[in-house]
Amino acid sequence: EAEVAQSPRYKITEKSQAVAFWCDPISGHATLYWYRQILGQGPELLVQFQDESVVDDSQLPKDRFSAERLKGVDSTLKIQPAELGDSAMYLCASSPGTSGEQWETQYFGPGTRLLVL
Amino acid sequence: GQQLNQSPQSMFIQEGEDVSMNCTSSSIFNTWLWYKQDPGEGPVLLIALYKAGELTSNGRLTAQFGITRKDSFLNISASIPSDVGIYFCAGPNDYKLSFGAGTTVTVRA
Repeated sequence: EAEVAQSPRYKITEKSQAVAFWCDPISGHATLYWYRQILGQGPELLVQFQDESVVDDSQLPKDRFSAERLKGVDSTLKIQPAELGDSAMYLCASSPGTSGEQWETQYFGPGTRLLVL
Repeated sequence: GQQLNQSPQSMFIQEGEDVSMNCTSSSIFNTWLWYKQDPGEGPVLLIALYKAGELTSNGRLTAQFGITRKDSFLNISASIPSDVGIYFCAGPNDYKLSFGAGTTVTVRA
C-alpha cells in the first residue's frame, strides 16, 4: 500500500540551529500538506501545496519557517533558527488533489518528532 | 480556525467494554471525520460522515453525524488492547481541516 514517507523520524537540535524535514507524498498526489502537532493537541496546518505552488501558508511563521516543493513531488520544511517552542511533531500529508471537492481524504506520514534544547 | 471540542479528554477502559466519545463545534460542518493516531505515528482516517443524521460503521467503530451538524459521536464496541491511541475528530472548512484536541484511550487488559 502506498504511504507518505517522512525523514528523519526524530530530530534533536539546539535552539538557534537550522533543521530541515523531508516528505515524499503518495505517488501521483498533487496536494501536499505540512502540519504541526504540539503534544496534547490536534494537528494544525502550516502550509498547503498544489503541485509546486503554495495554496495556503497563512499559518506558517515566515520569519523562521520555509517550505518548498520545487518539482511538485517531494517537499522540504525548514526552520531557521529553531526555538524551544518549536518542539513538536511535524506531520506531512497528501491527497489526490484532483476531485475538485472541498475536501479529500488526506493520508498522513509517520511524522518527524522535533526536540529543541 | 474552527474550534472543535472533544470529550472526554482521556479515558481508561476495561478490555471488552464499549467506549463513547464526542466532538462539538460552535459552527456547522458539512463533513465530520474521525481519525486515530497510534503512538509515534501519523493520524489514520477511520470514518467519514457526509450527511446530518448519518450513522456509519467500520468494524467495531460506529460514528454518527449529529442532526444539528455541530456535533459527532464515535463509539467503539468490545474494546481490545489495540484500540489504544488518540482519537481525533476533524472537520473541513474552506479546504482546511480543523482538528479537535483528541481523546486518549488507554485499555486495561
